[in-house]
Amino acid sequence: GDSVTQMEGPVTLSEEAFLTINCTYTATGYPSLFWYVQYPGEGLQLLLKATKADDKGSNKGFEATYRKETTSFHLEKGSVQVSDSAVYFCALRRDTGRRALTFGSGTRLQVQP
Amino acid sequence: DADVTQTPRNRITKTGKRIMLECSQTKGHDRMYWYRQDPGLGLRLIYYSFDVKDINKGEISDGYSVSRQAQAKFSLSLESAIPNQTALYFCATSDIGPGELFFGEGSRLTVL
Repeated sequence: GDSVTQMEGPVTLSEEAFLTINCTYTATGYPSLFWYVQYPGEGLQLLLKATKADDKGSNKGFEATYRKETTSFHLEKGSVQVSDSAVYFCALRRDTGRRALTFGSGTRLQVQP
Repeated sequence: DADVTQTPRNRITKTGKRIMLECSQTKGHDRMYWYRQDPGLGLRLIYYSFDVKDINKGEISDGYSVSRQAQAKFSLSLESAIPNQTALYFCATSDIGPGELFFGEGSRLTVL
């Protein structure tokens, strides 16, 4: 079945550091890939997405590139801020059939001033 | 007001009790979902509904049931709650197409 694997957290960084959160997936066909973010006490919200190989999703300084050859969708940001502290979820949606999103286990990011 | 509203936001109950979590949405979406969040396990799909007459089991449906009362309302029931159903529950909606989900703020359930 479909699955998403994320690096375990928490990831602790100082403000202005470079961020990478790894995400790899297993799925048949050509799924769409997503990053969601969950701020403390809130529901998840879409951060960025990519729907086909080599697409780059970007939003709020975050980027992720859909790599079909390595089945990966790593999240990056060049300079994190304290306000980026949250839990980040990688997810996929298969391109065929009537499927809901499959989520990874989440990675908590803590940014220190 | 939130587009996706969940009630109650917090609930503490005892083993064996029947619990209903309710979700309503104003986004006009046909598709609605219930997920469960546990530390270290991410979100797991309990049930999903693609329209009022179309309800499907997710990966962890045992011990749960749902009702889609209208396009805008989707409720989750625990007929006889047990402690390992203690979790944070999220309702979400989506439109047909790109797959973006819109989440409620969550319902924290504690079963003693």
